[in-house]
This record gives sequence, C-alpha cells and structure tokens, in this order.
Amino acid sequence: QSALTQPASVSGSPGQSITISCTGTSSDVGSFNLVSWYQQHPGKAPKLIIYEVTKRPSGVSDRFSGSKSGNTASLTISGLLAEDEADYFCCFCERKNTWLFGGGTKVTVL
Amino acid sequence: QVQLVQAGGEVRNPGASLNVSCMTSGYTFTKYALHWVRQAPGQRLEWMGWINAATGHTKYSQKFQGRVTITRDTSAKIVYMELTNLRSEDTAVYYCARTASYAFDIWGQGTTVTVSS
Repeated sequence: QSALTQPASVSGSPGQSITISCTGTSSDVGSFNLVSWYQQHPGKAPKLIIYEVTKRPSGVSDRFSGSKSGNTASLTISGLLAEDEADYFCCFCERKNTWLFGGGTKVTVL
Repeated sequence: QVQLVQAGGEVRNPGASLNVSCMTSGYTFTKYALHWVRQAPGQRLEWMGWINAATGHTKYSQKFQGRVTITRDTSAKIVYMELTNLRSEDTAVYYCARTASYAFDIWGQGTTVTVSS
C-alpha cells in the first residue's frame, strides 16, 4: 500500500484561508478522482466534508472546497472560524477496493 | 435519520478476541457497504475492511488479514467485526462507517477498546 502524505499542522487567523495538501502518487491520487476529506473534532467521529475531490455533501459549509493538481489533492478552508479547529484527514479508495488514509493535519485557529 | 450505533467500550487481555457490533437504521441495509476503521491514540485513521451488506462479500486490509472477520445479520441490520489474538497495539477506537460514492458518509460513534493485562 502506498502512503498519503499530509502536513502535520496548519494554522491561520480567523477570516483567513488555509490549504491542506494530501500527496499520493501517479498510480492513485494522480489517476483517479476518489479522494475524500474528513473533519474530526477531539473525541468525536470523523465527518465527511469533501468527496470525489471536489464535491460537498449536503449540509457542509461552502467555506470548504477541494481540488487536485497532479498527485496532490488539496482542501481549502475559507473564512476560517474557531469551530474549524480540528484534525483533517484525506482518504483515497484504491483500485482493489481498499482504502488509505493520510496521516492527518491539525488545524489551529490563532 | 440514518444512524450507525455502536456498543460501548471494551477491555480485553492480550491474546483474547474482540467482537464489536454496529446497528444500522434509517436506510436500506443491503444497498450500502459497511466498513471498519480504527484509530489508535494520537494516530491516523486506519482502514480494516468492509462487507457488501447485500452479498456478504468481504475485503480486508492486508495488515489484518487472518485476524479480522466482518459479518452481517441482514434481518437485524447489524454488522459485526471480530478481531482475534489481540495485542496492546490494538488499543484504539473502532468505528463502523458506511460508504457512498467511494467516501465514508456516515460514521458510528466509535467503540473504545483497551487491550491490557
């Protein structure tokens, strides 16, 4: 199994935009639009915020957006709020119907 | 509404087995796959395996192959995960999660498992 690499931490001030990267390889992230993103607050279950790279589930704020360039998928949080302080994980569904998670990024709102 | 409800915490001795349940409601059980994902303290999420709720077909992560078994009770709409030969490194929160469009759209609240003698 390959690995998905995320930065350990990203921080920003309220109202700013931040971007979290998720880097895979040309065989996975680079070839298929099957990246999803999850928000996890301490002690809580993860919550889906982006699927298929750019799509937002119903009820998720439009301040969250996803994109991809080459082997790297990205999650952008615009208009940062205190409630956005959480861990964020990317995930990829591999060709053999197995799933792979990134290491997670801790977002701090300064 | 769509819900996945898991049982409370468990404590096991090393070498023992674990059986965690996930009760589903609010949707057609056989239309979605169900997965098990775990998270050790301070660690990344780790995918363990999934079951096709309609057919019972399963697929497991290579890491857990031979130690994990996922089953389902279609009439009760419950999915189970058994993990055998437990070691301290299996201490984690175990989540069940449903997939739609190749993403985990609904999650259980998690079952905290502690493996310790």
